[in-house]
Amino acid sequence: DSGVTQTPKHLITATGQRVTLRCSPRSGDLSVYWYQQSLDQGLQFLIQYYNGEERAKGNILERFSAQQFPDLHSELNLSSLELGDSALYFCASSVGLAGGPYNEQFFGPGTRLTVL
Amino acid sequence: KNQVEQSPQSLIILEGKNCTLQCNYTVSPFSNLRWYKQDTGRGPVSLTIMTFSENTKSNGRYTATLDADTKQSSLHITASQLSDSASYICVVRNSGGSNYKLTFGKGTLLTVNP
Repeated sequence: DSGVTQTPKHLITATGQRVTLRCSPRSGDLSVYWYQQSLDQGLQFLIQYYNGEERAKGNILERFSAQQFPDLHSELNLSSLELGDSALYFCASSVGLAGGPYNEQFFGPGTRLTVL
Repeated sequence: KNQVEQSPQSLIILEGKNCTLQCNYTVSPFSNLRWYKQDTGRGPVSLTIMTFSENTKSNGRYTATLDADTKQSSLHITASQLSDSASYICVVRNSGGSNYKLTFGKGTLLTVNP
């Protein structure tokens, strides 16, 4: 158990809908990262927050948005869902900003999103 | 362009055998390289991290090597067990300070059969 929690575990929805994925980081971690992993793709970095502020953006679609709240939990909002958005969505957390030797990212168990 | 290429894409071995997974990268300037193990349907877990000055690092039956000159890393698994069946992902960080970037490989899917 990494200490990072994600809810829900599974989510099934229809095209055009909007969903919210939730992540609680490890106690003491200030950075939260969101990743998407499709069947035939590796982990794709979406976005990073540090202590409530957006710090880095990856391949995140305009239909997707995220935020980190004062209690440091984070939410990833996916709207106007398409079939291709079906994937595993992982949240990770780390103590600080950089991915250095002493700033390992700990991954949550993921949310499996299925868009029908 | 920063890239991380892993080979083979998939590998099947018998329990008890050894295997070596490869990671080639073009990330520059280089800061560090991590190997993650990802069990099916679960989040990745870090196995080891290699910094520029390190050539070899072990974590139990896992040994990672790094050749910063040729920009290659390998992960050697000794005396494989059924529980080693997983995807192994290589992640390279550049040394961009607060503008650092992590580049992920697509992973090698290892299957260990009895």
